[in-house]
Amino acid sequence: KNQVEQSPQSLIILEGKNCTLQCNYTVSPFSNLRWYKQDTGRGPVSLTIMTFSENTKSNGRYTATLDADTKQSSLHITASQLSDSASYICVVSDRGSTLGRLYFGRGTQLTVWP
Amino acid sequence: EADIYQTPRYLVIGTGKKITLECSQTMGHDKMYWYQQDPGMELHLIHYSYGVNSTEKGDLSSESTVSRIRTEHFPLTLESARPSHTSQYLCASSDAVLSTKSEETQYFGPGTRLLVL
Repeated sequence: KNQVEQSPQSLIILEGKNCTLQCNYTVSPFSNLRWYKQDTGRGPVSLTIMTFSENTKSNGRYTATLDADTKQSSLHITASQLSDSASYICVVSDRGSTLGRLYFGRGTQLTVWP
Repeated sequence: EADIYQTPRYLVIGTGKKITLECSQTMGHDKMYWYQQDPGMELHLIHYSYGVNSTEKGDLSSESTVSRIRTEHFPLTLESARPSHTSQYLCASSDAVLSTKSEETQYFGPGTRLLVL
């Protein structure tokens, strides 16, 4: 069964600290993996996208890594800010259909405190 | 910010009412999607469209229906709302051309939070 599991479910950190969010997937075949940020009451916004051949990608203070062999990804946030408080969703796409089906994790709810 | 809009943002209605959730995008994207998301849970695809006059059911069984008469517009309709329909509904779109290159990105609207009493 194709699944995407994220951990931790929730995380609280102090402003300025770093954190790392985890994503494990069993989706096969694999096309790409995305990290989205979803602010409360808003739709998800894409942060990074990685294909099979990429093992790291950065977007400002966000750095995503991908290990396609172990089917694991992480999202590292550096020098956190209050505006980083949001749900971070890992999304994996297969290439088994013309739709390029997406499998969504439940997200990690990050809260940054001052 | 993506140019994709949803109205209303919040809706509280009684059981049995017919409602239409609006979604429009100005990016000229061919592919559009409707997702349902409950708090703390993953997004579930309920409908999608490849283009005008194309609509398909998604993974999650839904009593809603959709139409795609114009590229920019993808409304979702519930003929008779029930409390079990209470959820957040997210509309998204993507460029069908890019989707063949495995780097397709979906752009999401702000969502409609629906409460059926």
